[in-house]
Amino acid sequence: NAGVTQTPKFQVLKTGQSMTLQCAQDMNHEYMSWYRQDPGMGLRLIHYSVGAGITDQGEVPNGYNVSRSTTEDFPLRLLSAAPSQTSVYFCASSYTHNQPQHFGDGTRLSIL
Amino acid sequence: QKEVEQDPGPLSVPEGAIVSLNCTYSNSAFQYFMWYRQYSRKGPELLMYTYSSGNKEDGRFTAQVDKSSKYISLFIRDSQPSDSATYLCAIPNTGNQFYFGTGTSLTVIP
Repeated sequence: NAGVTQTPKFQVLKTGQSMTLQCAQDMNHEYMSWYRQDPGMGLRLIHYSVGAGITDQGEVPNGYNVSRSTTEDFPLRLLSAAPSQTSVYFCASSYTHNQPQHFGDGTRLSIL
Repeated sequence: QKEVEQDPGPLSVPEGAIVSLNCTYSNSAFQYFMWYRQYSRKGPELLMYTYSSGNKEDGRFTAQVDKSSKYISLFIRDSQPSDSATYLCAIPNTGNQFYFGTGTSLTVIP
């Protein structure tokens, strides 16, 4: 059972480049979310989805887009990378938002 | 005021000590409370999940919720070096979002 799989594990981008962080889960969870984790700031919610075709913004959505075309996949797109987006990104999933979330092992992203 | 506030630590204790980790929250409507453990360069993993007030015990770990004070705690008995990690409290709100504490870094010294 793979759980939540995030790719890539590491990425270095130049300012202005775009990229997509991939997230897939095999637990048939309806709720999926993306967080960024920065030193001293904990986990901050970027975007979330309560089911296929439904997404909404979290606390820090600017500069990021998401879509949810299937239950399994929830990619996060950086439109035009900025140094302020240097962070560790975590994807998580759960049956509903009140249930414990299962996390991937993160993507470490550096923007130069 | 942040929705969830957590003692920042860091904490450093000798092996075998009892550890107390704490969070406060702002909204009395919150019903579910969780504690996650995060090892370095890994994703958070669920440690304890409680509903409403009271205590829940699982091995060396006890989660306590005091809704009257809006205060949650995680106790670790007989702490081990393998317990060295960052601990995060987490609370789902009433609107499809999760609030996480900033995390407390714990080091258990052999």
